[in-house]
Amino acid sequence: ETGVTQTPRHLVMGMTNKKSLKCEQHLGHNAMYWYKQSAKKPLELMFVYSLEERVENNSVPSRFSPECPNSSHLFLHLHTLQPEDSALYLCASSLTSYNEQFFGPGTRLTVL
Amino acid sequence: EDKVVQSPLSLVVHEGDTVTLNCSYEVTNFRSLLWYKQEKKAPTFLFMLTSSGIEKKSGRLSSILDKKELFSILNITATQTGDSAVYLCAYLFTSGTYKYIFGTGTRLKVLA
Repeated sequence: ETGVTQTPRHLVMGMTNKKSLKCEQHLGHNAMYWYKQSAKKPLELMFVYSLEERVENNSVPSRFSPECPNSSHLFLHLHTLQPEDSALYLCASSLTSYNEQFFGPGTRLTVL
Repeated sequence: EDKVVQSPLSLVVHEGDTVTLNCSYEVTNFRSLLWYKQEKKAPTFLFMLTSSGIEKKSGRLSSILDKKELFSILNITATQTGDSAVYLCAYLFTSGTYKYIFGTGTRLKVLA
């Protein structure tokens, strides 16, 4: 399998649930990213990992918790989310943090 | 505050038309400007522009950057229905680490 993959593709969860989003890249890249895309708003960068170290956290609420166990995998752990967190969550990777990014297909998250 | 503005917000054309999409930015420590095409979920990379005045071309798509006037344009000639998508502009800048900021995009619809 090539490129950037994300699972699940769709997720519906209640506000008290705990779930995780998974991202995997097969491109040999060293940087990985989480973005949030809400309707009619620009892509919002949430987290950046470079060489498995978190280098950016854009004031994201603590109910979102990233994890990067190795350069190919990235997780976003979710707990006690709010309905306004419903959005498309996109993962991306790049060779370095200043190269173009390759995006996964996203996870459509709905919080009830 | 660093930001990027795209215009028009949306555009409807007929097959065969030529379109020009605009992206202006206000940013310090600029490094690159990038264009992406987003059809359904994952944005796909089109161009990365770093130098002023040098046109990048891929088939019917081309783009150029003006670092003095702080804008870029994306041209699509002989449009086809498959060009219908949201076109995203993003700039990469340095602020301790490398950061991306995306515009809200231009939604292009090409009618047969």
